[in-house]
Amino acid sequence: DIQMTQSPSTLSASVGDRVTITCRASQSINSWLAWYQHKPGKAPKLLIYKASTLESGVPSTFSGAGSGTEFTLTISGLQPDDFATYYCQHYLSYPFTFGQGTKLEIK
Amino acid sequence: EVQVLESGGGLVQPGGSLRLSCASSGFTFTTSAMSWVRQAPGKGLEWVSTVPVSGGVTYYADSVKGRFTISRDNSKNTLYLQINSLRAEDTAVYYCAKGGPWGGYFDSWGQGTLVTVSS
Repeated sequence: DIQMTQSPSTLSASVGDRVTITCRASQSINSWLAWYQHKPGKAPKLLIYKASTLESGVPSTFSGAGSGTEFTLTISGLQPDDFATYYCQHYLSYPFTFGQGTKLEIK
Repeated sequence: EVQVLESGGGLVQPGGSLRLSCASSGFTFTTSAMSWVRQAPGKGLEWVSTVPVSGGVTYYADSVKGRFTISRDNSKNTLYLQINSLRAEDTAVYYCAKGGPWGGYFDSWGQGTLVTVSS
């Protein structure tokens, strides 16, 4: 199975900051990677698929990059609504796996 | 508007069974792969199972293989998850998720239904 490792596990930042979350795969997954935002008690929300394609309706302050085994999610100009937990997920083949999550906290 | 709504969660004893349902609307159910993803208390997201459009071959995480069965009723736009031989570690919020048109990511999710396994 492909393992997905995110870093950091927790990230403290302020409104207006630019932050980057990293996701590493245990083997090449080409660009078959998605990013999600999840808030407590809410449905997870798709942000990016195919490593860098922004889902419709997602603000352009979110961007994804990478291919192979290393990927990043960058949020430029943090807004109060952006504080949440973020997950990467590969979909190269079954079983799909998620990273362990990165909790983005207000500093 | 795409909507997926889970139901069927509850408190069940170890070894028991439940059937979760996911009613869908606002999209063409028959052309969408559908999945279940769960989140145990204090843990991250875990993919559980996927049924492709055809409903033929199905896929499961090793942790649930042989105990969970995913199915779909395209005439009712409804996804199901039959969960048997429940264990304490199956306690989680179970989310229904619609597959994206370009691959195995999930572009719409429900609010989840809580399954608690406890005696």
